[in-house]
Amino acid sequence: DGGITQSPKYLFRKEGQNVTLSCEQNLNHDAMYWYRQDPGQGLRLIYYSQIVNDFQKGDIAEGYSVSREKKESFPLTVTSAQKNPTAFYLCASSPLLAGQETQYFGPGTRLLVL
Amino acid sequence: AQSVTQPDIHITVSEGASLELRCNYSYGATPYLFWYVQSPGQGLQLLLKYFSGDTLVQGIKGFEAEFKRSQSSFNLRKPSVHWSDAAEYFCAVGAVNAGKSTFGDGTTLTVKP
Repeated sequence: DGGITQSPKYLFRKEGQNVTLSCEQNLNHDAMYWYRQDPGQGLRLIYYSQIVNDFQKGDIAEGYSVSREKKESFPLTVTSAQKNPTAFYLCASSPLLAGQETQYFGPGTRLLVL
Repeated sequence: AQSVTQPDIHITVSEGASLELRCNYSYGATPYLFWYVQSPGQGLQLLLKYFSGDTLVQGIKGFEAEFKRSQSSFNLRKPSVHWSDAAEYFCAVGAVNAGKSTFGDGTTLTVKP
């Protein structure tokens, strides 16, 4: 089955720790996205990537980093610089980076701070 | 720049009643419009999308939406709501060659028995 997988489902972070959220897709999509979701604030775009080895900052990139070494994978690292990381993180992909494309979402990772 | 507004943060309807969720967009040319649904603790799923042609679009789960250019709206409707429709609904707008689409802040639907 084609789709997007995110792992882990729940992740706990200690003070000063970097954590990495995994996102893998087997849809052969070029574009991938990371969103943060907080209650009552909808989806906020963190980073997106149009192609391998290229990515762009979204609206709230501070305290986050990404890589795109393979077409299928777009991991997100939440660094210690992100002071309020508790949120639900969603990864998505689309065939191209274009406004007419449907985005396909993974099941999400919930990050909690210990 | 494109933008989308969902005026209703939270809507409650009784099971079996009709539903309309509002979406207003801002974009100069003909937009591409989407409705997504998110069940609690899960990712988003596409309900329907409008690109061109017939302004009344049918989607999955018995939903439909109507594009009204004069009102810059793309409201989502369902004639009879089921308890399983309780979820958060997101409207999104995009444009050809304008990069990624833009999401609204969402409307949470509660269904009363």
